[in-house]
Amino acid sequence: EAGVTQFPSHSVIEKGQTVTLRCDPISGHDNLYWYRRVMGKEIKFLLHFVKESKQDESGMPNNRFLAERTGGTYSTLKVQPAELEDSGVYFCASSRRGVANSPLHFGNGTRLTVT
Amino acid sequence: KQEVTQIPAALSVPEGENLVLNCSFTDSAIYNLQWFRQDPGKGLTSLLLIQSSQREQTSGRLNASLDKSSGRSTLYIAASQPGDSATYLCAVGVKPSGTYKYIFGTGTRLKVLA
Repeated sequence: EAGVTQFPSHSVIEKGQTVTLRCDPISGHDNLYWYRRVMGKEIKFLLHFVKESKQDESGMPNNRFLAERTGGTYSTLKVQPAELEDSGVYFCASSRRGVANSPLHFGNGTRLTVT
Repeated sequence: KQEVTQIPAALSVPEGENLVLNCSFTDSAIYNLQWFRQDPGKGLTSLLLIQSSQREQTSGRLNASLDKSSGRSTLYIAASQPGDSATYLCAVGVKPSGTYKYIFGTGTRLKVLA
């Protein structure tokens, strides 16, 4: 089966611009997560979708971040306007229903650099 | 608040050596623990998933143990190879407020020398 796909792999934007990251989960995986790793820090949870519904967005840094998952398939994460501290690697992950018993499958991440 | 620590932060060993990576967590109320491997510029690859009711899991040369009461897990790699060089991350599955999520450690960077 195809893995979790993220696009783009790299993005360099200027402060104040908008960027949209995309994630295509493994087919049939209802659970979709966004995580972020900033330089030197651990990977941190951003939010969790089950199908098209947001289950938990407690990790979203602020209202400049907007995640959507229309139709319960792919997801987008928009940062508007981007700030310097948003730089990092954004990972998407997916799993089947019954997350507590299923391994998490990660994409290769999008490396975002805000200058 | 759950915190996950991995020691050592970096490790360099000669090929063929058996090694142990450590992961500790502060709250024993976990659902499971997962070990991942990350290669440079790549995503995370799941290595082993241990449920909270289990003590260990094995896959090939890898063995992961879990002692929930003491808040510890170890990843044992037998007969290490240069291809094992990567960053190893552990993550604990928790459900603090009705939804399930993983809390990650900062990882151990492993280098196996040929």
